[in-house]
Amino acid sequence: DAGVIQSPRHEVTEMGQEVTLRCKPISGHDYLFWYRQTMMRGLELLIYFNNNVPIDDSGMPEDRFSAKMPNASFSTLKIQPSEPRDSAVYFCASSLQYNEQFFGPGTRLTVL
Amino acid sequence: GQQLNQSPQSMFIQEGEDVSMNCTSSSIFNTWLWYKQEPGEGPVLLIALYKAGELTSNGRLTAQFGITRKDSFLNISASIPSDVGIYFCAGQHLYGGSQGNLIFGKGTKLSVKP
Repeated sequence: DAGVIQSPRHEVTEMGQEVTLRCKPISGHDYLFWYRQTMMRGLELLIYFNNNVPIDDSGMPEDRFSAKMPNASFSTLKIQPSEPRDSAVYFCASSLQYNEQFFGPGTRLTVL
Repeated sequence: GQQLNQSPQSMFIQEGEDVSMNCTSSSIFNTWLWYKQEPGEGPVLLIALYKAGELTSNGRLTAQFGITRKDSFLNISASIPSDVGIYFCAGQHLYGGSQGNLIFGKGTKLSVKP
């Protein structure tokens, strides 16, 4: 069975550019989570969806970040405009039960 | 935000040795999870614990949900080189019947010398 799929795996962009990260959750999972991982702050929850509806976006750093889930098999995390401090690894995770989350391989974002 | 204290930060051990790591919190959790992350990959769920005092094994891994509900332990027996990685604990509160978000520890980096 395919796990959580994320694309791209690596993204290098310049400050001010728009960045879109993509995620395909495991089929049948009704929860989808976006996390950010940095050395300084570890794993941080940005936002999560239940049945495609955003439930908690309190972890989204600021208005430059937005996330959508137009259907059960696809979600995007967008940063516009991007800044160097956004450089991190972004993970998508999905779950059937809220807490047993399965993570994707991550997108390593570098903003120059 | 809330923090989990995970220790040790890193471990350098010889192949065949047993490993112990733990997480503590100042508040009560109703769920504890243990994940392993290898370089360039996402965290992989190893063990999930749901009841205080629960002891659960997954191969050479054993984890326990502390009786106070404020801590959890992960033990790895007879370590092998492929155990190398970063191990994360994660805890979850229960607020008035609603599940809180997972809170992750900072990780324990395990290195195994053959």
